[in-house]
Amino acid sequence: SYELTQPPSMSVSPGQTASITCSGHKLGDKSASWYQQKPGQSPVLVMYQDNKRPSGIPERFSASNSGNTATLTISGTQPMDEADYYCQAWDSSVAGVFGGGTKVTVL
Amino acid sequence: QVQLVESGGGVVRPGRSLRLSCSASGFTFNIYSIHWVRQAPGKGLEWVAVISFAGSNQYYADSVRGRFTISRDNSKNTVYLQMNSLRDEDTAVYYCAREVNPYSSSSDYFGMDVWGQGTTVTVSS
Repeated sequence: SYELTQPPSMSVSPGQTASITCSGHKLGDKSASWYQQKPGQSPVLVMYQDNKRPSGIPERFSASNSGNTATLTISGTQPMDEADYYCQAWDSSVAGVFGGGTKVTVL
Repeated sequence: QVQLVESGGGVVRPGRSLRLSCSASGFTFNIYSIHWVRQAPGKGLEWVAVISFAGSNQYYADSVRGRFTISRDNSKNTVYLQMNSLRDEDTAVYYCAREVNPYSSSSDYFGMDVWGQGTTVTVSS
């Protein structure tokens, strides 16, 4: 079965850049999306179709997807960005697999 | 406003069945594919199933294929998840979520932009 690998956790200082990676075999050939989830809340889509930002998501969120790695970048990280982040890949051969999630701590 | 509301969760014994519903409002339901995603207590997200906007195509995770069935009734703006032969490991919060682009089919699912609040399923003897 297809697997996506994310670092379990990372910490970033306020105002700095956080880069969250998601690795999978030929991930760049698939469509990647990213979700933010805060405790007790439903997930929120922050990036989709590799690098598109939904309306209402701040411009400090960006993403890329190439080769075996997709990356979510948060520029000028704010305390409100502290959350769990999940990548997801889709293609018809693997369906909609999620990565294990990365807990981002802003301190 | 654009909204998805799940219902039907509860406590059920292993081997039994349960049907979840996802009711939509605030958008043109019959042009959007709908996904189910679950999250076990303290764990990450797990994609479960998707149904295309017209209901003609369905995909399932390996962990539920053959036990779960996704369906939709566009006249009622509702998607269902029929869960049979439930196992302890099916215990989770179940979310329904809307595919971000309208008229998406199996070759172009790109993300889920509207999520419900979730309904809890507990499988326990």
